[in-house]
Amino acid sequence: EEQLVESGGGLVQRGGSLRLSCAGSGFSFSGYAMSWVRQAPGKGLEWISGINVRGNTYYADSGKGRFTISRDNSKNTLYLQINSLRAEDTAVYYCGRDRGADVDTGMVYSWGQGTQVTVSS
Amino acid sequence: QSALTQPASVSGSPGQSITISCTGTSSDVGAFNLVSWYQHHPGKAPKVMIYEVSKWPSGVSNRFSGSKSGNTASLTISGLQAEDEADYYCCSYAGSHTYVFGTGTKVTVL
Repeated sequence: EEQLVESGGGLVQRGGSLRLSCAGSGFSFSGYAMSWVRQAPGKGLEWISGINVRGNTYYADSGKGRFTISRDNSKNTLYLQINSLRAEDTAVYYCGRDRGADVDTGMVYSWGQGTQVTVSS
Repeated sequence: QSALTQPASVSGSPGQSITISCTGTSSDVGAFNLVSWYQHHPGKAPKVMIYEVSKWPSGVSNRFSGSKSGNTASLTISGLQAEDEADYYCCSYAGSHTYVFGTGTKVTVL
């Protein structure tokens, strides 16, 4: 069974950093593009960043500068480094598998359960 | 990269049909037939219901159907059931290897 499990969230002070992880299993992790999507309290889903099978990275305007997506195919793991955390970064962060090898299908095929990030002042 | 516009809420009685709209621009929804729809129950992982405007992933009921006209995509739920009560989001490819989600619609089964 395909599974994505996020970890690394928690309570962090404003200005701090955090690295989220997403472990994939049950599918050929290296063969698919991956994305990070977040949901702030009371808000909708927001696509932040994606990475294709070749390691090319892509960001929404909101994710440029402070967010870094990466992957380690030997560990079947996706990462999201967030620096200079702000109150508005408080959200549940989901990782997702794309339908194809690149971030160009418009579809997040499968999702993890999410990890909560809370930024305190 | 502005969020696609969806109605905040839609409701219907069991057995009825409802339609959720998703309005974007000629740079996203209007430019590509790469619109997907997600069902999201709070606290759970979102689930894809429709992809490439009108295609069904394996295991998804055909009570859910999608369409697109110009810059607006739509999701129709036929034969509404209590279990369909959830938040629904559209998503579109927006070019340059980026995606944009809709603002979300809360579906209530009366």
